[in-house]
Amino acid sequence: GAVVSQHPSWVICKSGTSVKIECRSLDFQATTMFWYRQFPKQSLMLMATSNEGSKATYEQGVEKDKFLINHASLTLSTLTVTSAHPEDSSFYICSAGGPGGNEKLFFGSGTQLSVL
Amino acid sequence: GQNIDQPTEMTATEGAIVQINCTYQTSGFNGLFWYQQHAGEAPTFLSYNVLDGLEEKGRFSSFLSRSKGYSYLLLKELQMKDSASYLCAVLDSNYQLIWGAGTKLIIKP
Repeated sequence: GAVVSQHPSWVICKSGTSVKIECRSLDFQATTMFWYRQFPKQSLMLMATSNEGSKATYEQGVEKDKFLINHASLTLSTLTVTSAHPEDSSFYICSAGGPGGNEKLFFGSGTQLSVL
Repeated sequence: GQNIDQPTEMTATEGAIVQINCTYQTSGFNGLFWYQQHAGEAPTFLSYNVLDGLEEKGRFSSFLSRSKGYSYLLLKELQMKDSASYLCAVLDSNYQLIWGAGTKLIIKP
């Protein structure tokens, strides 16, 4: 089946630094990728929808200047957490629509971000 | 390698009970999640099991046996709105989420 690779899986950084998370579709082209955030034992919260070649669409309450999304190619989307603070510590997950479209999504393995 | 298996598709009748199984082989174990996902939407968290046993939450229950690498999601009193995909995901020793391919549940009147 379709594979979505997400890196890094685990990152610890100092407060004030920026962290980039990559999401790649390995064997298919993903016009649309999605970025989620998950707090322990809670649902995935959709942060933004990333479309190749255009600006991302952010959900209400998500700061677009803080969470920069770039979808420069059909196989790669990146999420950069700028000037990270301890409250940004969370589990971030990406997903991509499969070869047939967005009805079935394939998920990355997640990135645990810890900001000290 | 790491692997999670769950049936591709299941069909059940409204009002009935259905059990969706999930078996896993992962590098370590830090918990197992069940999510419900309707087409085109983000998954919704259903349950999290890290200890053996059954956890009941309304019409949905989830069971875990760590020694067998096995979990199931039990749905009772099925409703048409329960038609969705159900995803099993395991958090491995590196805190990476390993996802199953999902089970598409079709509810018939």
